[in-house]
Amino acid sequence: GQQVMQIPQYQHVQEGEDFTTYCNSSTTLSNIQWYKQRPGGHPVFLIQLVKSGEVKKQKRLTFQFGEAKKNSSLHITATQTTDVGTYFCAGTGNQFYFGTGTSLTVIP
Amino acid sequence: NAGVTQTPKFRVLKTGQSMTLLCAQDMNHEYMYWYRQDPGMGLRLIHYSVGEGTTAKGEVPDGYNVSRLKKQNFLLGLESAAPSQTSVYFCASSYLPGTSGNPYNEQFFGPGTRLTVL
Repeated sequence: GQQVMQIPQYQHVQEGEDFTTYCNSSTTLSNIQWYKQRPGGHPVFLIQLVKSGEVKKQKRLTFQFGEAKKNSSLHITATQTTDVGTYFCAGTGNQFYFGTGTSLTVIP
Repeated sequence: NAGVTQTPKFRVLKTGQSMTLLCAQDMNHEYMYWYRQDPGMGLRLIHYSVGEGTTAKGEVPDGYNVSRLKKQNFLLGLESAAPSQTSVYFCASSYLPGTSGNPYNEQFFGPGTRLTVL
């Protein structure tokens, strides 16, 4: 079954509000990757985290990898309409699994 | 430099028909992957390959076969299509982790193939 779950499945925010998606694995991961998929498009790599407790930032995006390497989060500060899309985490456990994704809608 | 390309972009099949999806990459990547994407399920790995002539099963391999006769190509075959195989299929490729000066194995995706089985 699905080993990497994401919550929420959908999120609607007003432009300028913050957004967070959470990724949880049933097993310890050696690394976690994050991808963004625009509507009608294909997944595009954003970042990879490898170390326990690692935090990385890309402009308004902040990525965290949990201390136990079983969970991760993506936080977007002050969302913009260009942030619209589905955000997926993906982790390497005994295999490589994508999360179920969080679809973000930004209301202008 | 086209990256990862997939053909065809769209296809409609009848139950029981067969077809092959072609993926090609021009980045000299060792790893190649086939995923299917269904609403609410994310991307699920069907098969993957870690090099020319090698293939391995992913999370949902049943009903599919693959071949990697050339490093740049990865073929996905459906021998007898079923309605449950209606999905969007994505191919991806990546470097071997730690090689080519790249410590990560980020995956580069193709544009996808939308398959409907009636």
